[in-house]
Amino acid sequence: DAGVIQSPRHEVTEMGQEVTLRCKPISGHNSLFWYRQTMMRGLELLIYFNNNVPIDDSGMPEDRFSAKMPNASFSTLKIQPSEPRDSAVYFCASQPGPSNQPQHFGDGTRLSIL
Amino acid sequence: DQQVKQNSPSLSVQEGRISILNCDYTNSMFDYFLWYKKYPAEGPTFLISISSIKDKNEDGRFTVFLNKSAKHLSLHIVPSQPGDSAVYFCAARRLQGAQKLVFGQGTRLTINP
Repeated sequence: DAGVIQSPRHEVTEMGQEVTLRCKPISGHNSLFWYRQTMMRGLELLIYFNNNVPIDDSGMPEDRFSAKMPNASFSTLKIQPSEPRDSAVYFCASQPGPSNQPQHFGDGTRLSIL
Repeated sequence: DQQVKQNSPSLSVQEGRISILNCDYTNSMFDYFLWYKKYPAEGPTFLISISSIKDKNEDGRFTVFLNKSAKHLSLHIVPSQPGDSAVYFCAARRLQGAQKLVFGQGTRLTINP
């Protein structure tokens, strides 16, 4: 079975540019999560969706960040404009319906903003 | 406010011995706990979980113990193998309501041959 697929794996761009990260969750999973990992803050939840609907976006740093889930098999996390402090590894995870099931993670996108 | 804490950033264990990784939490509403393992350049991989109605869960070489009164859980790996060398994250959440996982900072485990 295919796991959670994220693209790109690496992104290097200049400050001020728009960045779009993509995620394909595991088929049949109805919850999707975006995390960011940094040395200072560790793994922190940015936003999550249930059945394509955003449920909790309290972890989104600021208005420069936005996330969408137009259908059950695709989600994007967009940063516009990007800043050097956004440099981090961004993970997407998905989870099947029952709440006692674990989240499954993609391999992440390593983002570097110059 | 760090709700899930792993106080040991690193741990070194001899191959064949027991590895014990510890985790403390502060939020008494948490009732579902998970351990993830992470290799470099990969995403975290689910290892084992436990709900608050149990105090122990075992899966092969991996056992998780939960002490609710102390708000403490631990992961035991017996026997430790070189392939177990990775960063281990403890995570917690509520089973009902918000599915927001809160992670600890991770412990880097090194198994020495």
